[in-house]
Amino acid sequence: NAGVTQTPKFRVLKTGQSMTLLCAQDMNHEYMYWYRQDPGMGLRLIHYSVGEGTTAKGEVPDGYNVSRLKKQNFLLGLESAAPSQTSVYFCASSFGQGAREQFFGPGTRLTVL
Amino acid sequence: SQQGEEDPQALSIQEGENATMNCSYKTSINNLQWYRQNSGRGLVHLILIRSNEREKHSGRLRVTLDTSKKSSSLLITASRAADTASYFCATDGGTSYGKLTFGQGTILTVHP
Repeated sequence: NAGVTQTPKFRVLKTGQSMTLLCAQDMNHEYMYWYRQDPGMGLRLIHYSVGEGTTAKGEVPDGYNVSRLKKQNFLLGLESAAPSQTSVYFCASSFGQGAREQFFGPGTRLTVL
Repeated sequence: SQQGEEDPQALSIQEGENATMNCSYKTSINNLQWYRQNSGRGLVHLILIRSNEREKHSGRLRVTLDTSKKSSSLLITASRAADTASYFCATDGGTSYGKLTFGQGTILTVHP
């Protein structure tokens, strides 16, 4: 099993450009999450999904959109990138209801110039 | 807002010593989790302790939880250079859907 994978690993954007980050998991997990991590800070939840076709806002959703068309994939979109979105983005998944550990991908390092 | 606050922010010890990290949180919880992050990598789950548990062990890890003080501690015994990493506590805020709020982390450096 590959676990949780993220594409791409690195990306540099110019202000105003758009892009989509892809997260895929092969563990048949119900729940998926997108976080961002900034220097000296813990992870902050952007959006999450509790099942195929559902999404919900997390702590810092502004400037991002998400889609969960297939159970195994969770996409994070930036429609018009801003320098404040320079960060490392992590995707995670978990089995679902109840106290569950989250499995994390390796991260995507995004720089917006 | 960061529900979990960790202390110390950085910890430097010698191999073989014990390392203790503390976490405080603000709201009620169902469970509290600890994760490790090696430099440039994703987070790895270490241990989960439920709100009705006071102590849990896993190998060289010992976690305590005091819900009356809204605090938890992670003890790593007989540390190794390979334990060098950042350690984060995460709480679920008493909600479902597994949403976690992470602390800022403790950077642990273990010198050989």
